[in-house]
Amino acid sequence: GAVVSQHPSRVICKSGTSVKIECRSLDFQATTMFWYRQFPKQSLMLMATSNEGSKATYEQGVEKDKFLINHASLTLSTLTVTSAHPEDSSFYICSARGSPGAKLAFFGQGTRLTVV
Amino acid sequence: DQQVKQNSPSLSVQEGRISILNCDYTNSMFDYFLWYKKYPAEGPTFLISISSIKDKNEDGRFTVFLNKSAKHLSLHIVPSQPGDSAVYFCAASASGTASKLTFGTGTRLQVTL
Repeated sequence: GAVVSQHPSRVICKSGTSVKIECRSLDFQATTMFWYRQFPKQSLMLMATSNEGSKATYEQGVEKDKFLINHASLTLSTLTVTSAHPEDSSFYICSARGSPGAKLAFFGQGTRLTVV
Repeated sequence: DQQVKQNSPSLSVQEGRISILNCDYTNSMFDYFLWYKKYPAEGPTFLISISSIKDKNEDGRFTVFLNKSAKHLSLHIVPSQPGDSAVYFCAASASGTASKLTFGTGTRLQVTL
């Protein structure tokens, strides 16, 4: 399968600071990338969908000003958690697909964010 | 509102036996279903998928069954191996593609020797 690399895998930050998470498709061009969040003992919840070169579409209840998504190239999308608070501590994971009709989306390894 | 449900949080199966993981959904617009396997601190890895026009899809040791009338699907792993021990997520899409997936809460499978 295709490879999606997410960095960092683990980050601890102080409350009030911002954290950037990168998601790269290594061997294919990702027209669309998805960002998910998983709280303990819960399922992966879709936060937003980003298409290369356009603004991200956020799911209901997700603050777009807090979770900034940039998808400037076909191989890179970034999620910036701004002014992080302890309740933002979670497992963030991206997935990428190559074309609108793609049957598969490939996931990165995820980022464990801890805000202290 | 949990549209995709995996009611068994955990399952233990002996090596060599069949593992059956279940998934129920409520949204009748879902037309494409996927199973992912996830190890701790890693992203989900795609296992197998099925379109709503089918009721069975098989790939090696993995078979997915879909019962549209019951809004139920299951993943069968046979024979189960210790390396299959992981969390299994069922996911669904209403677009026929791997777009905007709705995930279940996962079932932790433990394959014992």
